[in-house]
Amino acid sequence: EDKVVQSPLSLVVHEGDTVTLNCSYEVTNFRSLLWYKQEKKAPTFLFMLTSSGIEKKSGRLSSILDKKELFSILNITATQTGDSAIYLCAVGSGGSNYKLTFGKGTLLTVNP
Amino acid sequence: KAGVTQTPRYLIKTRGQQVTLSCSPISGHRSVSWYQQTPGQGLQFLFEYFSETQRNKGNFPGRFSGRQFSNSRSEMNVSTLELGDSALYLCASSLQESYEQYFGPGTRLTVT
Repeated sequence: EDKVVQSPLSLVVHEGDTVTLNCSYEVTNFRSLLWYKQEKKAPTFLFMLTSSGIEKKSGRLSSILDKKELFSILNITATQTGDSAIYLCAVGSGGSNYKLTFGKGTLLTVNP
Repeated sequence: KAGVTQTPRYLIKTRGQQVTLSCSPISGHRSVSWYQQTPGQGLQFLFEYFSETQRNKGNFPGRFSGRQFSNSRSEMNVSTLELGDSALYLCASSLQESYEQYFGPGTRLTVT
């Protein structure tokens, strides 16, 4: 059975801190790894990674994938209170039966 | 471009009833996936449709079914509702399988 594990489950930091969120996976026929941010609504897409070792960046957020060690990290620098959310990692797997398997998420709280 | 839309946004049903939820994908997107989100289990994959064909199904009982129309709009149906079906049901669309998925706002279903 495909498995995606995120750590830590929750994290409390102060504005300005840098955080690293972890995602490890065990899936059959890996295709992609995606990060989403979920506030009090639907998840919003952040990144999709398919190649190992290539960093994706968007402003203060960045992510990298290690396909050999089967994990990814999401970094957020200079955190702001607006970064408070659940960060979800999802792994796409399968061929014609492609699906996303989600981790339970990391709840990030950024205090002023 | 308009995002993914889901109707209704909120629904209250009683045990034993059935319910139909609707999802309109982003224009041009042909793949629609459905997920159930609960506090205990997180986001779990229900099924995925592409060009009116169900290509993959998650580990849910047969009471959960769906379909996709020629305009890519999708519906999911839950028959004989149980209390445990109370959840946020999310629909996501993508251009094709293995592309990033974009989520709708969800339908909050409460079964009493």
